[in-house]
Amino acid sequence: QSALTQPRSLSGSPGQSVTISCTGTSNDVGGYNYLSWYQQLPGKAPTLIIYDVNKRPSGIPDRFSASKSGNTASLTISGLQAEDEADYYCCSYAGFWTWVFGGGTKLTVL
Amino acid sequence: EVQLVESGGGLVQPGRSLRLSCAVSGFIFEDFAMHWVRQPPGKGLEWVSGINWNSGTVDYADSVKGRFTISRDNAKKSLDLQMNSLTSADTAFYYCVKDKGKAGSEFDSWGQGTLVTVSS
Repeated sequence: QSALTQPRSLSGSPGQSVTISCTGTSNDVGGYNYLSWYQQLPGKAPTLIIYDVNKRPSGIPDRFSASKSGNTASLTISGLQAEDEADYYCCSYAGFWTWVFGGGTKLTVL
Repeated sequence: EVQLVESGGGLVQPGRSLRLSCAVSGFIFEDFAMHWVRQPPGKGLEWVSGINWNSGTVDYADSVKGRFTISRDNAKKSLDLQMNSLTSADTAFYYCVKDKGKAGSEFDSWGQGTLVTVSS
């Protein structure tokens, strides 16, 4: 149950696009489509922003998009806004009824 | 509106036990799997344990297996986590988390968390 690999930090200016990667193995990211992304604002609980690799829950703006190729998933935030400054975590089903999170990426909006 | 409210956190000495509870409302509890996810202060998320809709499937992270027990009472709409033999490594915010489905998939609603501090 090793954590998925994410960049520890990223930054971008308002209006730009940023992409956060999430790398695992064929036993987790590459093996299942239960791949989700969570946004955690400072001092708050995480919220689901992407599920099933690339689906957005209602209320999540289409500036948030995601994909997966092999053992790597990606979250792209387009048209970056100040309110997007947060920690982002990927999570994958890892088989045998276990789940594994990424280490988290701190996104700074410059 | 889905609501998940954790309780039972606090300061506990190493080696002792603690029981967390989660009261839910706003959805049909017995239709969904549930999980506990934890986050040490200032660190990342770790899936701790999950239980399917009818308690027929439960599992644990290796880090807590044999020490923690998850359970649910569908009639009372409650989820519990019994934590034994606690160590400082168990210090974290513990989140009660609702799954998207009955059998375990992704986490679509989170409680606000309860802090467990293991220290002498």
